[in-house]
Amino acid sequence: EAGVAQSPRYKIIEKRQSVAFWCNPISGHATLYWYQQILGQGPKLLIQFQNNGVVDDSQLPKDRFSAERLKGVDSTLKIQPAKLEDSAVYLCASSHYTGRSSGNTIYFGEGSWLTVV
Amino acid sequence: GESVGLHLPTLSVQEGDNSIINCAYSNSASDYFIWYKQESGKGPQFIIDIRSNMDKRQGQRVTVLLNKTVKHLSLQIAATQPGDSAVYFCAELSLNAGNMLTFGGGTRLMVKP
Repeated sequence: EAGVAQSPRYKIIEKRQSVAFWCNPISGHATLYWYQQILGQGPKLLIQFQNNGVVDDSQLPKDRFSAERLKGVDSTLKIQPAKLEDSAVYLCASSHYTGRSSGNTIYFGEGSWLTVV
Repeated sequence: GESVGLHLPTLSVQEGDNSIINCAYSNSASDYFIWYKQESGKGPQFIIDIRSNMDKRQGQRVTVLLNKTVKHLSLQIAATQPGDSAVYFCAELSLNAGNMLTFGGGTRLMVKP
């Protein structure tokens, strides 16, 4: 079974530029997550989708971050304009959870490494 | 649990010894408690979970213990191998919040050959 796919793996941009990350979850997984992991810390949830609806985006800095999952499969996370403190790994994860079943194990992709200079 | 800063706690063990990694959690209402392993340059990898109504669960070479009285979770790794070297994170899963996963602090495990 293919895992969670993310691209690009690495990105270096200047502050105030924009960047977009793409995620393809495991086939059939209804729930998709974007996490931000700053070096030396645990991942922090930015946004969670169930199918194409947002479950939680309370920690997403909405003035600069946006995410969408239009068809309930792939997702993109965008940052515009980027700040130095956005340098982090952006992890996408997915689970089979649909709200009415088990299958709640959450699987992570390898991450997209962002450096803002 | 709260995230730690740049200096993760480190546990250094000899190859073949048993390792115990500890975690304090904050939300008593979580449904599952989970351990993830994260190797350098990779995403977190699921190791084992335990439902909140259990106090012990065993996997292959790993055991998770849950003490709800003191809100403490531990991961025991038997016969630690060099491939076990990684950062280990505990996490809490809440089904009522739509399968929301919240990470706690990490511990770096270093295995000496």
